[in-house]
Amino acid sequence: GEDVEQSLFLSVREGDSSVINCTYTDSSSTYLYWYKQEPGAGLQLLTYIFSNMDMKQDQRLTVLLNKKDKHLSLRIADTQTGDSAIYFCAERGTNSGYALNFGKGTSLLVTP
Amino acid sequence: GAVVSQHPSWVICKSGTSVKIECRSLDFQATTMFWYRQFPKQSLMLMATSNEGSKATYEQGVEKDKFLINHASLTLSTLTVTSAHPEDSSFYICSAKDRMNTEAFFGQGTRLTVV
Repeated sequence: GEDVEQSLFLSVREGDSSVINCTYTDSSSTYLYWYKQEPGAGLQLLTYIFSNMDMKQDQRLTVLLNKKDKHLSLRIADTQTGDSAIYFCAERGTNSGYALNFGKGTSLLVTP
Repeated sequence: GAVVSQHPSWVICKSGTSVKIECRSLDFQATTMFWYRQFPKQSLMLMATSNEGSKATYEQGVEKDKFLINHASLTLSTLTVTSAHPEDSSFYICSAKDRMNTEAFFGQGTRLTVV
């Protein structure tokens, strides 16, 4: 099947920006998502971007999409300790219906 | 809007018993529901897709006789893990969408531990 790859761990200091990267292989991806999962909890949709967009900004979150390189990033400005969680990149291809293909998640640790 | 509720949040069961997990859409009609499984430090893997009133479509490698999915109404889908074994211990999470919405919304997940 198609792959979604993420780095597994990122540590930043409170107040700094965090950048979480993701690469995918499915060239038919129509939507790309970022989800947040706190310990023992379900998934919270943070933001998503349609494949014909390059960038999307939503408050502290900025998503950049390089469709040619199949690279997606999530930038969190002014990272707070409450942002510590696992962040999943996911993509939806044209042949997957509405099911998502997830990466393994990036564990973000924000230190004071 | 678009709230999906899973029950129970966590369950411990003995090896050999069956466990039922419910996924409910609280404020919309879920024509399609998805069941995922997440092993520790792993990604979410799609297990099956169910459309209301139809048989579920299982992903390759998922045993349909072991993971029984029922989607008999527009607001409820159930996943029954039959004859559970310790290797079935995992985090199970559902998502649901209606006909109009392009997005599927996730439940809070169920942590199953088989002892």
